[in-house]
Amino acid sequence: EVQLVESGGGLVEPGGSLRLSCAASGFTFNTYTMNWVRQAPGKGLEWVSSICPTSTYIYYADSVKGRFTISRDNPKNSLYLQINNLRAEDTAVYYCAREIPAAMTGFDFWGQGTLVTVSS
Amino acid sequence: AIRMTQSPSSFSASTGDRVTITCRATQDISSYLAWYQQKPGKAPKLLIYAASTLQSGVPSRFSGSGSGTDFTLTISCLQSEDFATYYCQQYYTYPRTFGQGTKVEIK
Repeated sequence: EVQLVESGGGLVEPGGSLRLSCAASGFTFNTYTMNWVRQAPGKGLEWVSSICPTSTYIYYADSVKGRFTISRDNPKNSLYLQINNLRAEDTAVYYCAREIPAAMTGFDFWGQGTLVTVSS
Repeated sequence: AIRMTQSPSSFSASTGDRVTITCRATQDISSYLAWYQQKPGKAPKLLIYAASTLQSGVPSRFSGSGSGTDFTLTISCLQSEDFATYYCQQYYTYPRTFGQGTKVEIK
C-alpha cells in the first residue's frame, strides 16, 4: 500500500524555522519526483517545490525561493522541506505528493498533510 | 508563470445533474493538465491526467477534455459523494500552477 506521511508541522513564531518530513512507503521512492504543495486555511492549492529522483533538478515557487529548501534521502525513503524565516503567510497545511518523472500523470498520490501555523 | 483560471468558482447542483467545470491556461500547455478533487479536511485526489485520462479507480462518470489552453471536467451524473472542490493543474512547466478551485455545492 502506497503511503506518504508528513510530520514536523506546528506553531512557530515569525522568523522561526521548521523542518517538515514526508515518509514514503509502498513504492520505489527513488524513481519518483517528489513535490510539496501547501494550502492556506480556506484557500486553494499552491505548489511550493519539486525535486527529481536524483536531486539533480530542484524547483521552487517564487514566494518561497531563498527561504525554503527541499531535499530527499532515498535510502531512508524520505522527503524534507526546511523552512526558514517563516512569515504569517506561510501558515498552511503542507502536503507531499509524488509524480512520475517525464510522464503525463500528474500528482498521483498525496499525503494527508501537516499544519504549519506562524503566529506570535 | 502560467496562470490557470477556473470557472465558475462555485455553483449549486442536484444529484443526477450533468455538470461541467472549465479551466483556461494563459499559454499552450498541450495536454499536461490534471484534475483533482478535494473534500474538506482531506488531501486532494487525482481524478484525471493528461487532460482526458481517467485515473485508476475513478468512476467513469468523470471525464475530461481539451488541449492547448482550454479544458473541461464533466461529471455526467452527479452523486452525493461528488460534492467537493475541484482543481485543475498544469504540469507542462515550472512553476506548476493550480486553478483557484471550483466548489460544487448541494442545491
